[in-house]
Amino acid sequence: NAGVTQTPKFQVLKTGQSMTLQCAQDMNHNSMYWYRQDPGMGLRLIYYSASEGTTDKGEVPNGYNVSRLNKREFSLRLESAAPSQTSVYFCASRARGLGDEQFFGPGTRLTVL
Amino acid sequence: GEDVEQSLFLSVREGDSSVINCTYTDSSSTYLYWYKQEPGAGLQLLTYIFSNMDMKQDQRLTVLLNKKDKHLSLRIADTQTGDSAIYFCAEKDSGGYQKVTFGTGTKLQVIP
Repeated sequence: NAGVTQTPKFQVLKTGQSMTLQCAQDMNHNSMYWYRQDPGMGLRLIYYSASEGTTDKGEVPNGYNVSRLNKREFSLRLESAAPSQTSVYFCASRARGLGDEQFFGPGTRLTVL
Repeated sequence: GEDVEQSLFLSVREGDSSVINCTYTDSSSTYLYWYKQEPGAGLQLLTYIFSNMDMKQDQRLTVLLNKKDKHLSLRIADTQTGDSAIYFCAEKDSGGYQKVTFGTGTKLQVIP
């Protein structure tokens, strides 16, 4: 079991460029999440997907789009990157059951110049 | 909206106990969590507590919950250098999509 995997690990973009962050989980979880982590601000939810075929906005969705391609994969797209989107991005999936634990990927460190 | 607050930094000597504190505002929390983040890695669940419990112990970890004051703490006994990391407090509400709100994280530095 690889758990939650993310690609790429690092990325540098110029303002206005687009890119897609990939996430996959092999734990058969229904729910998946995208967070961004900024210094002093903890993790903030960008988008989530409660199940295959559904996606919903979190607290900071502006400038992002998502696709739940299938049960395993949940991608995050930046259509026109801005310096304010420089951050570390984490994908997570959630196990239903005792504790409802979220499992996190290793993160993608994105810099927008 | 919901808010979870933590101090940003804690420094302790190896072998001492560490206590990391957290306060939250959501009175409808169902679970409260402590996650650990090591450098360059994602978050990993350390432990969680149901909102109707006062205390949970798991080896060197003790979680205390004061629901009246909305205060959560994590005590690490016999702190080791391998415990150096960022610790995040989080709470899950009982709402529709069961949102999890994370604190800002407390960076624990263990001095040998």
